[in-house]
Amino acid sequence: RKEVEQDPGPFNVPEGATVAFNCTYSNSASQSFFWYRQDCRKEPKLLMSVYSSGNEDGRFTAQLNRASQYISLLIRDSKLSDSATYLCVVTQTGANNLFFGTGTRLTVIP
Amino acid sequence: GAGVSQSPRYKVTKRGQDVALRCDPISGHVSLYWYRQALGQGPEFLTYFNYEAQQDKSGLPNDRFSAERPEGSISTLTIQRTEQRDSAMYRCASSPGRASYNEQFFGPGTRLTVL
Repeated sequence: RKEVEQDPGPFNVPEGATVAFNCTYSNSASQSFFWYRQDCRKEPKLLMSVYSSGNEDGRFTAQLNRASQYISLLIRDSKLSDSATYLCVVTQTGANNLFFGTGTRLTVIP
Repeated sequence: GAGVSQSPRYKVTKRGQDVALRCDPISGHVSLYWYRQALGQGPEFLTYFNYEAQQDKSGLPNDRFSAERPEGSISTLTIQRTEQRDSAMYRCASSPGRASYNEQFFGPGTRLTVL
């Protein structure tokens, strides 16, 4: 079983729409949680960390449910520039390497 | 300031040859990571260093793969006797601290093609 599971999509949404991505992780000892964004042919970049209480950064909201081992990302008022692959990422206790999901591809359509 | 750099950006080699991939982390970053990314997949961990010490090499696929960071800065990932299945994007990342919550900054990657 993979450490991190994501729906690969693609998600095609119109500008202005709200879209949500989910992922699940298999190891209950997972310690830190992130969403990274990867544009086509580019390197992954940190979008936001995910905290237990949930956190928001502008149009982006991340949630963590430790009991269900579930992470979500909500994007409101989608922009064309939001088109990218969104990678769900976790670390485990005692290890610093990142475990990546396969990524969910989002295309925002004019 | 300068980000993580990697060289070469593209490497085409014949099966059986050795290759060395270089990573220049952000200056002063303590931790350095190597990942491999196949098309349509997220990066997969290979190994990482804190300063010059290799902390975890559990992700290296087999003993043809090795990495070093002798002076705690530049790192080299070496693949001996390359095979076609080694073809992938190899990414390096660096982080300012050792804690798992620190952001990792990725380089542009080296696209390796083994013929």
